Amino acid sequence: QKEVEQNSGPLSVPEGAIASLNCTYSDRGSQSFFWYRQYSGKSPELIMFIYSNGDKEDGRFTAQLNKASQYVSLLIRDSQPSDSATYLCAVTNTGANSKLTFGKGITLSVRP
Amino acid sequence: DAGVIQSPRHEVTEMGQEVTLRCKPISGHDYLFWYRQTMMRGLELLIYFNNNVPIDDSGMPEDRFSAKMPNASFSTLKIQPSEPRDSAVYFCASTLDRGLGLDTEAFFGQGTRLTVV
Repeated sequence: QKEVEQNSGPLSVPEGAIASLNCTYSDRGSQSFFWYRQYSGKSPELIMFIYSNGDKEDGRFTAQLNKASQYVSLLIRDSQPSDSATYLCAVTNTGANSKLTFGKGITLSVRP
Repeated sequence: DAGVIQSPRHEVTEMGQEVTLRCKPISGHDYLFWYRQTMMRGLELLIYFNNNVPIDDSGMPEDRFSAKMPNASFSTLKIQPSEPRDSAVYFCASTLDRGLGLDTEAFFGQGTRLTVV
């Protein structure tokens, strides 16, 4: 089982819709959870992080974390064509040698 | 700060040649990561350093790969000899240690696109 898994996609939604991106992780001791966005040909950039169970909202973005189910998601409300990118879920584990592990990413396309 | 700086941006080399990728992390950051990104495998962690010390190199694919961090402001990733399957985008990233493990944003360089022919 891969440490961080994301549906391979691609995901296509119409402009104005809600895009829902999902991620599961295998290490129950994982402590910090991140969503990065990567435009084609560019480097990843952080858009959200979440540490505690529940929801965290930032503008049109909401991150949801459920540690019992080992599940983290990202909701994008009122999707815009500029949101079209690859979204990478990343997780850090606990311990002295914690490391930042990424999922393969899911490509989102927002249709005008 | 100019962010994480990687060089070169593009590298085309022949199979069997040595390739050296370079990275300058953000000043004051404690962690430095080397990742490799391909369509098939996504973003894979190769090795990371904490305060210039290699912590985990389990992602390094084989002995042809080596990485060093001689000081806090410079790291190299070397492939010798290079092979066509090494073709990928290699990213360097750095982050700050707040004493709570890896819980802060990782800043990425622009990447080096390596093509081995």
